[in-house]
Amino acid sequence: QITLKESGPTLVKPTQTLTLTCTFSGFSLSTSGVGVGWIRQPPGKALEWLALIYWDDDKRYSPSLKSRLTITKDTSKNQVVLTMTNMDPVDTATYYCAHSLFDYGSGSYFDYWGQGTLVTVSS
Amino acid sequence: DIQMTQSPSSLSASVGDRVTITCRASQSISSYLNWYQQKPGKAPKLLIYAASSLQSGVPSRFSGSGSGTDFTLTISSLQPEDFATYYCQQSYSTLFGPGTKVDIK
Repeated sequence: QITLKESGPTLVKPTQTLTLTCTFSGFSLSTSGVGVGWIRQPPGKALEWLALIYWDDDKRYSPSLKSRLTITKDTSKNQVVLTMTNMDPVDTATYYCAHSLFDYGSGSYFDYWGQGTLVTVSS
Repeated sequence: DIQMTQSPSSLSASVGDRVTITCRASQSISSYLNWYQQKPGKAPKLLIYAASSLQSGVPSRFSGSGSGTDFTLTISSLQPEDFATYYCQQSYSTLFGPGTKVDIK
């Protein structure tokens, strides 16, 4: 049974750095084809993909946010960490982590999601 | 960057209706297109991957088709639990479309 859970601060101040942790179970991030991604959703708005890290430590970032994002994994702890620098009120959103599968025939897709965590950016 | 558009942005339908949602990519993405359903306050749920493969456990009334730049999600007979927002996502650069909200007529 695959589960993922996001954790981190619920409130950050403008200009601060956000650090979110995704703790998962039921799979290994050292298995070929497996990845973990981060996706956010501002209140009432659409999903926005942020970052994705694969089993082989390949990392992908949203082009529009690349300069502010860092994704890392700790395979032994079953955790993936996302940091986002220089937070702004427009970054207020629910942040999700999700399990990803990849193969060359199907591409990649997110088949299991965490419940999400709401992060508010305000002074 | 590959951009994704969806149409319509919203639609009203009745239980039993056949519903079709379209997703278009700004350049060819082969069959690297996924569909998700999201209900209010919940995480998205994968429905279709690789344009036409039905995710395990998803009812067969959902189907996907297309390749290249044009894709469709079809719900053959809309059920009460299908009222939700639907997003396409291309897996070349993992970007999501803007979503299509399906509500009750």
